[in-house]
Amino acid sequence: GENVEQHPSTLSVQEGDSAVIKCTYSDSASNYFPWYKQELGKRPQLIIDIRSNVGEKKDQRIAVTLNKTAKHFSLHITETQPEDSAVYFCAASPRSGGYNKLIFGAGTRLAVHP
Amino acid sequence: EPEVTQTPSHQVTQMGQEVILRCVPISNHLYFYWYRQILGQKVEFLVSFYNNEISEKSEIFDDQFSVERPDGSNFTLKIRSTKLEDSAMYFCASRIRDPRGPQHFGDGTRLSIL
Repeated sequence: GENVEQHPSTLSVQEGDSAVIKCTYSDSASNYFPWYKQELGKRPQLIIDIRSNVGEKKDQRIAVTLNKTAKHFSLHITETQPEDSAVYFCAASPRSGGYNKLIFGAGTRLAVHP
Repeated sequence: EPEVTQTPSHQVTQMGQEVILRCVPISNHLYFYWYRQILGQKVEFLVSFYNNEISEKSEIFDDQFSVERPDGSNFTLKIRSTKLEDSAMYFCASRIRDPRGPQHFGDGTRLSIL
């Protein structure tokens, strides 16, 4: 079945450092890859997404890269701040069901230390 | 900015009882979803709904679950006879027509089965 693997499960960085979270997906026909940030007890909030026809997308300190050949996509956060601390989920939209659902990774707990 | 709203925020129910979780999707959105998140785990797809019918459902969404859009605004998830393992955070989400458009999540309903 469809699957998304996410690494690492936890990530601890110093304020100002960069953080990278990596995901791989199983369905090569997946066409949409969002990243969500979830603070404790709150909703997942979309922070950036990328479509399958694009290799890279950037929004201020956040960037996402997609390698369709390797079925791999990554989230890059530069100049991390304490308020970036949260759980980050990657997701992919597989072809089954008409690209009509998201399959989530297991999440990465990011801690940014002042 | 328009938001997906969910009620109640927390529901406590005795095992075996029926529960209805309610959602008001964003008004111009056409696709509606339910996801669940067991404490400390990843977000899992339950069901997608479009044009007044289920478009896809997961293995989790068995005969005990049903969804309905009783009017032009509400979208409900019913669990007929709750089990202890149904305890989780349930998120409603919606999106516009584009399958590569973002899904917007509500704040969730924390369901506790006693």
